[in-house]
Amino acid sequence: DTGVSQDPRHKITKRGQNVTFRCDPISEHNRLYWYRQTLGQGPEFLTYFQNEAQLEKSRLLSDRFSAERPKGSFSTLEIQRTEQGDSAMYLCASSSGTEGEKLFFGSGTQLSVL
Amino acid sequence: QKEVEQDPGPLSVPEGAIVSLNCTYSNSAFQYFMWYRQYSRKGPELLMYTYSSGNKEDGRFTAQVDKSSKYISLFIRDSQPSDSATYLCAMRSYGQNFVFGPGTRLSVLP
Repeated sequence: DTGVSQDPRHKITKRGQNVTFRCDPISEHNRLYWYRQTLGQGPEFLTYFQNEAQLEKSRLLSDRFSAERPKGSFSTLEIQRTEQGDSAMYLCASSSGTEGEKLFFGSGTQLSVL
Repeated sequence: QKEVEQDPGPLSVPEGAIVSLNCTYSNSAFQYFMWYRQYSRKGPELLMYTYSSGNKEDGRFTAQVDKSSKYISLFIRDSQPSDSATYLCAMRSYGQNFVFGPGTRLSVLP
């Protein structure tokens, strides 16, 4: 399977703990995106990478959130000092970065903060 | 006004019906239009991709874009219970990020 892979699928944590999610994009894709989705809403953009460079961050991304993509391959999204409002599905997507790029999503990580 | 709007549903139809799903948008610069299907607790799956105006057909699915009305549609013919999912529209202008609608929940009843 050469699709986008996310790990873990589910994460339950207590408020105040740190969590880290991993995304492995489609191998030939140089763009990687992180989105957040809550119930009844569409995905909301958080940040994206072109290779290893983080090119844009949404205002939604507070300073408790950090993302990395070392070596331009897999990416991690870390949330520090989690809050109940962080509970959501965190989606990773990758694309070729060309003009007519198409986004391909992973299955997401469902985060529940208790 | 949100940049992309969709009727959230739920929309319930009998098996075999033709389904029409729609999105309206406000940004006339949008050029690339996509439809995604999302099953419960799964990531969105790309169904249709259209550049600029016009129609595109793929099997039972037809996507239409009317840029003059800022309106896009997805038609599903001979709907099946396996089509029951949330359908998200997404769009972008050149060099900008994708913007998603909130999704329409569809139930196809056997």
